[in-house]
Amino acid sequence: GAVVSQHPSRVICKSGTSVKIECRSLDFQATTMFWYRQFPKKSLMLMATSNEGSKATYEQGVEKDKFLINHASLTLSTLTVTSAHPEDSSFYICSARDPRRDTGELFFGEGSRLTVL
Amino acid sequence: GQNIDQPTEMTATEGAIVQINCTYQTSGFNGLFWYQQHAGEAPTFLSYNVLDGLEEKGRFSSFLSRSKGYSYLLLKELQMKDSASYLCAPMDSNYQLIWGAGTKLIIKP
Repeated sequence: GAVVSQHPSRVICKSGTSVKIECRSLDFQATTMFWYRQFPKKSLMLMATSNEGSKATYEQGVEKDKFLINHASLTLSTLTVTSAHPEDSSFYICSARDPRRDTGELFFGEGSRLTVL
Repeated sequence: GQNIDQPTEMTATEGAIVQINCTYQTSGFNGLFWYQQHAGEAPTFLSYNVLDGLEEKGRFSSFLSRSKGYSYLLLKELQMKDSASYLCAPMDSNYQLIWGAGTKLIIKP
């Protein structure tokens, strides 16, 4: 079945530093990937849609200069949290659709838990 | 607007049956997904309904009524590992999944 892998699963960084999270589709090509953020006991919040070879589409209220998204290949999208602050501490999850399937279900990466000290 | 309504938390006994209800309002509709999310982990796909009726898959079944904006997830023969949050996620006219906070299911021995 479709597999999406995310790395790192956990990261701790100092305030002001930048952190990069990678999302890979392992057995299919994904022209589009989705980046979510989830706070404890809250719903998934779509941050942005990553488009291979073009600019990402950001949701309202998400700072594109702070959350840099790059989708340079059909199997890799990266999210860089720049100048991280403690309020950026959250669970970040990527997802993608397998174009071989009709249903449109999202396959999620394992998630990356970011803690900013 | 678009919204999802599910109970915040439910408790059930190991071996029993539980039904998690979901009502939704979306701009257009292209099917409804149920996902399972264990604490600290990413969601995993459980089911997809696009037509009215019941879809059965092992111990899990999902029902959809489009006219009522209603779905439920039925879990049979509950096991301790079924303790998780269950997310009802309808897909709107733009093929975007709309997410609620989910239902936290607690299984007791």
